[in-house]
Amino acid sequence: GQNIDQPTEMTATEGAIVQINCTYQTSGFNGLFWYQQHAGEAPTFLSYNVLDGLEEKGRFSSFLSRSKGYSYLLLKELQMKDSASYLCAVRDPGNTPLVFGKGTRLSVIA
Amino acid sequence: EAGVTQFPSHSVIEKGQTVTLRCDPISGHDNLYWYRRVMGKEIKFLLHFVKESKQDESGMPNNRFLAERTGGTYSTLKVQPAELEDSGVYFCASTLRTGDEQYFGPGTRLTVT
Repeated sequence: GQNIDQPTEMTATEGAIVQINCTYQTSGFNGLFWYQQHAGEAPTFLSYNVLDGLEEKGRFSSFLSRSKGYSYLLLKELQMKDSASYLCAVRDPGNTPLVFGKGTRLSVIA
Repeated sequence: EAGVTQFPSHSVIEKGQTVTLRCDPISGHDNLYWYRRVMGKEIKFLLHFVKESKQDESGMPNNRFLAERTGGTYSTLKVQPAELEDSGVYFCASTLRTGDEQYFGPGTRLTVT
């Protein structure tokens, strides 16, 4: 079976840093993706981790620990436009469909 | 470069009716995926095309759902007859190569009353 857990909602202040956690239990693993989705829009790709460690891309960073089945997405210098849902998704080896968590709805407040 | 497009953006139909959703992937992308998000649940995989062939349809819920991709370009997903539990947002995604990050369309919100 496959199970991906992430917090349902988070609130953070403009200019601050927020960390969104994701834990997964899957029968196999071939990469973890983070997507951002604004209401009514398409999920957009943020990051991809397949090896342990931190991947940094501008204000966004993503971390993976395969032994712990754990990832986080770090957003720095939060802006109001970062208010969105953040989706964690895992890919099984040999398969290409993504298995998604329910998403974390982030609200950035002034 | 145009992204993945889906039509219609919204559809409201009655139980028992038929609805056809369309997805146009990014030009040249051989891989096309359909996903669905039912309210309160996570996005779930329905099926995967490589060109016009169904590579994996393990996520299709039942035989009321029929997906096609004639010619290997756009794809359609038909629901016939629609049931209340089919309501949700249907997403399409495409990639150039299997394993690449998937580019999603904005989804079709289907409401069955």
